[in-house]
Amino acid sequence: DAGVIQSPRHEVTEMGQEVTLRCKPISGHDYLFWYRQTMMRGLELLIYFNNNVPIDDSGMPEDRFSAKMPNASFSTLKIQPSEPRDSAVYFCASSLAGVVTGELFFGEGSRLTVL
Amino acid sequence: GENVEQHPSTLSVQEGDSAVIKCTYSDSASNYFPWYKQELGKGPQLIIDIRSNVGEKKDQRIAVTLNKTAKHFSLHITETQPEDSAVYFCAASRNAGKSTFGDGTTLTVKP
Repeated sequence: DAGVIQSPRHEVTEMGQEVTLRCKPISGHDYLFWYRQTMMRGLELLIYFNNNVPIDDSGMPEDRFSAKMPNASFSTLKIQPSEPRDSAVYFCASSLAGVVTGELFFGEGSRLTVL
Repeated sequence: GENVEQHPSTLSVQEGDSAVIKCTYSDSASNYFPWYKQELGKGPQLIIDIRSNVGEKKDQRIAVTLNKTAKHFSLHITETQPEDSAVYFCAASRNAGKSTFGDGTTLTVKP
């Protein structure tokens, strides 16, 4: 099992540029989550999907952030335009619904630096 | 919404000693309480979890206890080893819905 796959692992960009982060969840999982991790704010949930449908995007900080899940095996998080305060590690996680488990399987993260 | 508080933020112990990390949650409807370990440069990984119908769960050197009345749960690591050094996060959720995480505890085990 390949696990949750994120790309790129590292991204350095300049303020104002568009950033696209990608995620491939574990096959068969029906929930997908995007988290942001910073020293100041810890792990913050940005948005999550169930069966490709966005369920809660209340954690998305601004309109500059958008996320899509066009199919069960792919999701993107886009920041346009990027700002230095967006610098963080962005994690994608997937899980399988049900009362037996709620375990989140995290990817390795995408470290974003906005100069 | 759910609010999870975690203490302490840093913990340093001698190899072989025990370590205890505590969390409180606010939403009485939360019924799933996982603990994740995050090593440097990696994503968090589940190490143990507990559901609201259980008071204690143990897996080798790690154990978790849950007090539903007090909305409090704890992680216990016994016989700590240097490889236990990492950041530990508690979380609370309802089944497979969104998880709210604590702020994390950086555990350092000194050889």
